[in-house]
Amino acid sequence: GAVVSQHPSWVICKSGTSVKIECRSLDFQATTMFWYRQFPKQSLMLMATSNEGSKATYEQGVEKDKFLINHASLTLSTLTVTSAHPEDSSFYICSARDPTGSGGYTFGSGTRLTVV
Amino acid sequence: DAKTTQPTSMDCAEGRAANLPCNHSTISGNEYVYWYRQIHSQGPQYIIHGLKNNETNEMASLIITEDRKSSTLILPHATLRDTAVYYCIVRPNAGGTSYGKLTFGQGTILTVHP
Repeated sequence: GAVVSQHPSWVICKSGTSVKIECRSLDFQATTMFWYRQFPKQSLMLMATSNEGSKATYEQGVEKDKFLINHASLTLSTLTVTSAHPEDSSFYICSARDPTGSGGYTFGSGTRLTVV
Repeated sequence: DAKTTQPTSMDCAEGRAANLPCNHSTISGNEYVYWYRQIHSQGPQYIIHGLKNNETNEMASLIITEDRKSSTLILPHATLRDTAVYYCIVRPNAGGTSYGKLTFGQGTILTVHP
């Protein structure tokens, strides 16, 4: 089936630094990808919709200048957490529509971000 | 998107069928019912989806009531590896501003025990 590869799987960074998370669709093209955030013991919350070749669409309450999304190719979307703070520590997950026609969505394995 | 209601948690014995209910009484005519699961510290995994007919695949069966206000996901022979959070989501399959977005509720924590 369709695979979405997410990298890194975990990262620890210092407060004030920036962290980039990559999401790649393997052997299929994804014009749209979705970025979610999940805090411990909570459900996934959609942060933004990444659109190839155009600006991302952010959900209400998500700071677009803090969470920079770039979707420069049909197989790669990146999420950069800028000036990270401890409250940004979370599990970040990307997804893309399964191209096989099942109607479902394929998710990456997630990135555990810890800001110290 | 229509809101869904699921029990917070359920238990199931290994080898038995796990029946996970979901209420979606405000579902619209063009909204599908999707089921995903999330094993701890992993990304969600697609299980199955349907509109109004019952569906079956290699993972599970989906039973949707005639009025479409509720559905049940059935794992016919649960294993320990089926322990996960199961999410029931309703969304349109095409068109509109909600197309493509998945709104996750709190889901049901299914624990399969020996």
